[in-house]
Amino acid sequence: QVQLQESGPGLVKPSQTLSLTCTVSGFSISSGSHHWSWVRQPAGKGLEWIGRIFTSGITNYNPSLKSRATISIDTSNNQFSLELSSVIAADTAVYYCIFSEGDYWGQGTLVTVSS
Amino acid sequence: QSALTQTASVSGSPGQSITISCTGTSSDVGGYNYVSWYQQHPGKAPKLLIYNVSYRPSGVPDRFSGSKSGNTASLTISGLQAEDESDYYCSAYTGSSTKFFGGGTKLSVL
Repeated sequence: QVQLQESGPGLVKPSQTLSLTCTVSGFSISSGSHHWSWVRQPAGKGLEWIGRIFTSGITNYNPSLKSRATISIDTSNNQFSLELSSVIAADTAVYYCIFSEGDYWGQGTLVTVSS
Repeated sequence: QSALTQTASVSGSPGQSITISCTGTSSDVGGYNYVSWYQQHPGKAPKLLIYNVSYRPSGVPDRFSGSKSGNTASLTISGLQAEDESDYYCSAYTGSSTKFFGGGTKLSVL
């Protein structure tokens, strides 16, 4: 059974960098040609795709984030990560990590941007 | 690039069938067979219902089906059940490998 678990600070100050890690268990993150994604959801609003990384290291991002997002993969620890720089209040959301098209999701972690 | 367009809400009675539509453009929904559908109950992570327009992951009941015509994708739920009351989101990829979600549709089972 594949499981994903997000971890990271729940509170980030404006203009700082949001950093989250997704730990994968039950599956080797380097297996096959899958991709690993991040999606976020502000309270009471819809889903927003942030980006994805393939096991090859190739990445794709939501252009609306204006290059603030960086996704990386750590095969030795079976994890992948998200960094979102220069955060503002509008970046406050529940952040989800996802396997492939959504076959498996993390439980989500709330990140609040506030001073 | 804007989000895909979904009807804000839809309702149906138990046993009925309903269809949720997702309208995009020829650059996303209409151009590629990479449309997915998700179900999200309040306070829970979304669940994948349909991928690649019409394929169901293992464990998803065949009451859920997906299709596409032109720039509009559709999710049909037949034999509506009370537990189907939820939010539903579509998504699609563009030619530049970026993914967008629809705004979501709230399904009420009367």
